[in-house]
Amino acid sequence: DTGVSQNPRHKITKRGQNVTFRCDPISEHNRLYWYRQTLGQGPEFLTYFQNEAQLEKSRLLSDRFSAERPKGSFSTLEIQRTEQGDSAMYLCATSGTLWTGDLGYGYTFGSGTRLTVV
Amino acid sequence: ELKVEQNPLFLSMQEGKNYTIYCNYSTTSDRLYWYRQDPGKSLESLFVLLSNGAVKQEGRLMASLDTKARLSTLHITAAVHDLSATYFCAVEGDSNYQLIWGAGTKLIIKP
Repeated sequence: DTGVSQNPRHKITKRGQNVTFRCDPISEHNRLYWYRQTLGQGPEFLTYFQNEAQLEKSRLLSDRFSAERPKGSFSTLEIQRTEQGDSAMYLCATSGTLWTGDLGYGYTFGSGTRLTVV
Repeated sequence: ELKVEQNPLFLSMQEGKNYTIYCNYSTTSDRLYWYRQDPGKSLESLFVLLSNGAVKQEGRLMASLDTKARLSTLHITAAVHDLSATYFCAVEGDSNYQLIWGAGTKLIIKP
């Protein structure tokens, strides 16, 4: 595979509904990150996996948010009881754990899922 | 807490001109990234700066890092319309599992 794949690209949901996003990483990358980006802002860290272990969660990740990475492959991010404030672009990124010369850890971002809560 | 500030946040310039975007960060780090984002698109890696004094160039863009001043610059030479985008800098904290991002500089280059 040539990159990080995210699905769906766009999601419109009614307030109070649950949504789930999927991220398929670059196969050699064992680190996976979720970020949230609102209009006019830089991305904000949400959570981080190394293989299947979720090693860090931001305080931005309320109890309504849950992320999984079964078997250390793809990851899902679920938002329960969506609120209008959840409207944002949700970005998945992956990287290796080895320092790769000029590329650092080689963070690669997917195209994102744009969530609109109406 | 690591904070990253970019300036300016918005820049409108004419083709052919030169300009510099600044990225300041608040705590020690020697790993800084520059990304480009087109409207509605994801983030494209431009440069990774890994040590004090590092300078990298690609086409009309040149990035540098001064870890002592906690400052990185992205210099645009003889701007062309295709460089219109939002440019972000991001700094890797001590934990090295997350990037802390600036708010971005929206660059508009007019013909």
